[in-house]
Amino acid sequence: GQQLNQSPQSMFIQEGEDVSMNCTSSSIFNTWLWYKQDPGEGPVLLIALYKAGELTSNGRLTAQFGITRKDSFLNISASIPSDVGIYFCAGTLTSGSRLTFGEGTQLTVNP
Amino acid sequence: DGGITQSPKYLFRKEGQNVTLSCEQNLNHDAMYWYRQDPGQGLRLIYYSQIVNDFQKGDIAEGYSVSREKKESFPLTVTSAQKNPTAFYLCASSRETTNYGYTFGSGTRLTVV
Repeated sequence: GQQLNQSPQSMFIQEGEDVSMNCTSSSIFNTWLWYKQDPGEGPVLLIALYKAGELTSNGRLTAQFGITRKDSFLNISASIPSDVGIYFCAGTLTSGSRLTFGEGTQLTVNP
Repeated sequence: DGGITQSPKYLFRKEGQNVTLSCEQNLNHDAMYWYRQDPGQGLRLIYYSQIVNDFQKGDIAEGYSVSREKKESFPLTVTSAQKNPTAFYLCASSRETTNYGYTFGSGTRLTVV
């Protein structure tokens, strides 16, 4: 099936640092989504992107839908301890297709 | 408020026993999904259902079974045929138009001893 390559797999940062992670695919996606999973909980949708080039913010989080439609980026500014968790990218090939998920980026923030 | 509820949060079972995980949603979503997550791993699709009384196997369906008798409910049974059942199980639901993403439950952690 389709694959999303998410990187990095894990990140260890100091509180206050900025964070960047990305997802790439060999296929064109028509929607990109970013989720966060807190430890022991289900993933929660952070940002949804629907147009190539689209840049959307949610507080300290900013995500972009790549121009080629084959990638997406998530940036977190001024990280805080509660940013800890696993961040997943996901995409849809068509409006009715199942989501394809990346493998996740495990983020650890040291106070 | 609408949402998706998984129960129980923690489940312990003896090896060789079948166990059923509950998933209920009141979002009026058509599609429902079951995922398995192992420590430090991503999400692996077990089964999904796009309509009542119909469901399809995902990538790791062996040793699992599901039913979809009602739109709101999609229980997952972990059978004794599943060789390594200890994991975190996540249920999700979505509209027919998946562009809006999935809504996930809070998960059930199954431990088989």
